[in-house]
Amino acid sequence: EDQVTQSPEALRLQEGESSSLNCSYTVSGLRGLFWYRQDPGKGPEFLFTLYSAGEEKEKERLKATLTKKESFLHITAPKPEDSATYLCAVHESGGGADGLTFGKGTHLIIQP
Amino acid sequence: DTAVSQTPKYLVTQMGNDKSIKCEQNLGHDTMYWYKQDSKKFLKIMFSYNNKELIINETVPNRFSPKSPDKAHLNLHINSLELGDSAVYFCASSQDGTISGYTFGSGTRLTVV
Repeated sequence: EDQVTQSPEALRLQEGESSSLNCSYTVSGLRGLFWYRQDPGKGPEFLFTLYSAGEEKEKERLKATLTKKESFLHITAPKPEDSATYLCAVHESGGGADGLTFGKGTHLIIQP
Repeated sequence: DTAVSQTPKYLVTQMGNDKSIKCEQNLGHDTMYWYKQDSKKFLKIMFSYNNKELIINETVPNRFSPKSPDKAHLNLHINSLELGDSAVYFCASSQDGTISGYTFGSGTRLTVV
């Protein structure tokens, strides 16, 4: 059973069309929830860390929120350069290999 | 100045060979990691290494072995390569992952033929 589930798998939007990406998680002890952006042929690029329910963080057109069961990445008035795969990951207390557990990502395409 | 650098970027090799991927970080981070991204783009942790303590994901075959000559380097050695080892391998580092996140390298695409 996946501990981190992202939806939708793919999303195509028009430039300026706002939307949200979802990340639901089932870990028992959350130390942090992370959002990353990954462009083709590159490594994931860190966007946000959220630690507790109710927390929100913003960066340019992106806003991340966290509840006890899920996180949302809201994208407002996106531009074509926002096209990428957005990855959600959790850092779990006592997690194996002390690293991050990733979801499968949402492939976002912003059409001009 | 690249924070986490991996070499080579591409590696094509035959089944049964032994190969290594190098990783260096210049961020002064205490912990380094290796992740594998499969054909479905799913990132999974393989190892973490902190101050000579190695934590291994139980699903990783023992043909894979990380080696750290110093705090800034964590190289990945793979013995007896198999077709299923074909993937993109990412190195990453963190100082305190729960605060500042993890910094990833740009990846090494390994193709086993």
